[in-house]
Amino acid sequence: DGGITQSPKYLFRKEGQNVTLSCEQNLNHDAMYWYRQDPGQGLRLIYYSQIVNDFQKGDIAEGYSVSREKKESFPLTVTSAQKNPTAFYLCVSSIWWLEGWTGELFFGEGSRLTVL
Amino acid sequence: SQQGEEDPQALSIQEGENATMNCSYKTSINNLQWYRQNSGRGLVHLILIRSNEREKHSGRLRVTLDTSKKSSSLLITASRAADTASYFCVRNAGGTSYGKLTFGQGTILTVHP
Repeated sequence: DGGITQSPKYLFRKEGQNVTLSCEQNLNHDAMYWYRQDPGQGLRLIYYSQIVNDFQKGDIAEGYSVSREKKESFPLTVTSAQKNPTAFYLCVSSIWWLEGWTGELFFGEGSRLTVL
Repeated sequence: SQQGEEDPQALSIQEGENATMNCSYKTSINNLQWYRQNSGRGLVHLILIRSNEREKHSGRLRVTLDTSKKSSSLLITASRAADTASYFCVRNAGGTSYGKLTFGQGTILTVHP
């Protein structure tokens, strides 16, 4: 079955360490996104990518980095520069059509990062 | 915030009443869509409306878009207890930022039987 797989689901990190969250999709989707959610808040966009080897900053990119070397993979690295990294991280993907896009997004199950 | 606003943050109504949720935004959009999220579950796509459209319907759902006011509304008519959920608008930026998808904070709808 096609879908988006995020790993790990839960991750604990010590302050000062970088950590990479994995997002893999086998839907042949062009567009992939990373969002962050904090308690009581909505989803905030970190980075997004529309094609391989290209990505754009979202609204809260500071302290994060991404790569898009393969169409199916969009890993997110939370660096030590991110001042408040404890949060729920959600990976999203979609078909990339300028016209005729139905709007349907596909969601991973999320990764919960806790910094100790 | 570049996300804009959704209001109300919470809405409580009786079954059979209509529910209206609003979504405003600050920068131009190419399209906007609405999603529903039941407690503890994933988001379900409801409707997409493009910037050149003013109104769309799907069953008991009606979405309007006013680009001059940079706002959209989701109307659920004859609400049911099963409509209880959080509702989010997702804005797809226009122009060179096309593809930048921004979620609103959401409206929590409670429909009492």
